[in-house]
Amino acid sequence: QVQLQESGPGLVKPSQTLSLTCTVSGGSIISDTYYWSWIRQPAGKGLECIGRISTSGSTIYNPSLKSRVTISVDTSKSQFSLKLSSVTAADTAVYYCASWEIAARYFDYWGQGTLVTVSS
Amino acid sequence: DIQMTQSSPSLSASVGDRVTITCRASQSISSYLDWYQHNPGKAPKLLIYAASSLQSGVPSRFSGSGSGTDFTLTISSLQPEDFATYYCQQSYSTPLTFGGGTKVEIK
Repeated sequence: QVQLQESGPGLVKPSQTLSLTCTVSGGSIISDTYYWSWIRQPAGKGLECIGRISTSGSTIYNPSLKSRVTISVDTSKSQFSLKLSSVTAADTAVYYCASWEIAARYFDYWGQGTLVTVSS
Repeated sequence: DIQMTQSSPSLSASVGDRVTITCRASQSISSYLDWYQHNPGKAPKLLIYAASSLQSGVPSRFSGSGSGTDFTLTISSLQPEDFATYYCQQSYSTPLTFGGGTKVEIK
């Protein structure tokens, strides 16, 4: 069974870049079955899809964040990463990584989530 | 973007109750609708995909229905472990969007 684990700093200063990594275990990150995705949830709010990447490197980003987001994949480490630039307090959220099952069109595996706070 | 609306942010119910959670899309999404259960500090869990298909391992007391713009998640007999927040999510088009969630609380 695929397992996902987020890692990265829990505190980021305003205007800086948020960087998170998701490590995939229990299965191969090199897969035609999945897109590897980032989702976030600000406190007291709903879930928001940030974007996703295939193992070939093809990306789709949420237009609301597109100018600030970069998602990349490192198949040698079984990891994919999120960078969000020019962060503000509005980017404070729990960030999840998840696998998007391409054919079935659902998120079947999720990480536990990691809280990132933007504050000086 | 397709807006997903869960009209009830919360509802109170007792163990054994039949619970219905609704979700409405801002435009037709056919049956491209999934339901997730989320407990604080845990990973969200897929319950229902394609509006009415039960994910493997999910108890049969969960069911989904609907197509087009209106969808329903039903829990036939609420169990203690079912007190959680439930989200709908459309997979019809990007950006994928979620409803605001419905928290099922103990009455």
